[in-house]
Amino acid sequence: NAGVTQTPKFQVLKTGQSMTLQCAQDMNHNSMYWYRQDPGMGLRLIYYSASEGTTDKGEVPNGYNVSRLNKREFSLRLESAAPSQTSVYFCASGGQRQETQYFGPGTRLLVL
Amino acid sequence: DAKTTQPTSMDCAEGRAANLPCNHSTISGNEYVYWYRQIHSQGPQYIIHGLKNNETNEMASLIITEDRKSSTLILPHATLRDTAVYYCIVLYAGGTSYGKLTFGQGTILTVHP
Repeated sequence: NAGVTQTPKFQVLKTGQSMTLQCAQDMNHNSMYWYRQDPGMGLRLIYYSASEGTTDKGEVPNGYNVSRLNKREFSLRLESAAPSQTSVYFCASGGQRQETQYFGPGTRLLVL
Repeated sequence: DAKTTQPTSMDCAEGRAANLPCNHSTISGNEYVYWYRQIHSQGPQYIIHGLKNNETNEMASLIITEDRKSSTLILPHATLRDTAVYYCIVLYAGGTSYGKLTFGQGTILTVHP
């Protein structure tokens, strides 16, 4: 079991460029989540998907879109990257209890 | 969800028990206490959770006071690999919460040799 995997590990973008962060889990979990973590701060929820076919906004959704492609995959898209989106992005999936979440290794994004 | 208060930082000697406190005086009857940790540059890791009773697993023990207004996470024999930021999170589990965890600043635990 790989658990939760994220690609890419690192990315540098110029302001205005777009990109999609990929996340996949192999634990057959229903719920999946995207968080961001800025330096010295705790994680903040961007979007979540309670089950396949559903998505909803979290605390900081502006500037992002998500797609729950199937039960395994949950992608995060930045349509027009801004320097304020420089952050580390973590994907997670929820176990039998949705609050028991398993996190991926993160994607480090720098927007210049 | 109830607000939590944790010390900013704590130190512990390797091999000793690490006791990390969390205050959640506004917790309601159907809210759980969850603990996660984040080792430097890694994704957070689930540790343990509880509602009323004390809980123990292979990683840690969770002691919740009778009035549920505070709790303590205990790492019985801390190692250098336990150096991390520890997050105490209180939330209503189930229903429309959909597992929306709110991470605060947490406690930086440093385990010394």
